[in-house]
Amino acid sequence: QLVLTQSPSASASLGASVKLTCTLSSGHNNYAIAWHQQQPEKGPRYLIKLYSDGTHRKGDGIPDRFSGSSSGAERYLTISSLQSEDEADYYCQTWDTGLVLFGGGTKLTVL
Amino acid sequence: EVQLVESGGGLIQPGGSLRLSCAASGFTVISNYMSWVRQAPGMGLEWVSGGYSDSSTYYADSAKGRFTVSRDNSKNTLYLHMNSLRVEDTAVYYCAKGRDPIDYWGQGTLVTVSS
Repeated sequence: QLVLTQSPSASASLGASVKLTCTLSSGHNNYAIAWHQQQPEKGPRYLIKLYSDGTHRKGDGIPDRFSGSSSGAERYLTISSLQSEDEADYYCQTWDTGLVLFGGGTKLTVL
Repeated sequence: EVQLVESGGGLIQPGGSLRLSCAASGFTVISNYMSWVRQAPGMGLEWVSGGYSDSSTYYADSAKGRFTVSRDNSKNTLYLHMNSLRVEDTAVYYCAKGRDPIDYWGQGTLVTVSS
């Protein structure tokens, strides 16, 4: 069964970098995923699509501070030079025949 | 510029019906995969339905038999028809473009199911 697993929370200091992880369930290592950001009281925003080989495609206007990488079943979102507005929930998303699936989300706190 | 604007949310009693609308601009609904995604208060994102056309739409188990998606191509608008609403359907409902990946989101419309 296709499942996406995320840690519920993460934190990092202003100006630092943070790496968020999304893990695909066993047998689904080749799936691409997308990362979405949801700032408080706002709708989600598409950030980046990540393929299993680490290549990626960003959404419109997404800053270079946001990047992605892959290793096996893990898909990463790295945010560098953290700013206060990066404090948000981050969701990974994938798809299969007939469905779209989200991870449980990671709440990022910028200290 | 791509825009998605949802409307139609509100307070509804359990067992009632509601129709949500998603007006699209900057692209045509008819040629794109469109999804409805909801978010219950304090919870994560949950996919509700998605597809390329009225006859080719998939539904989450929580929506099957109660929710139906339709499109009005002349208005470039997507609809979510919700019947037999339950308290647990209370959520912000988002319209979204795409699947692999979802690349644009609306701002959402709040549906509250309560007596």
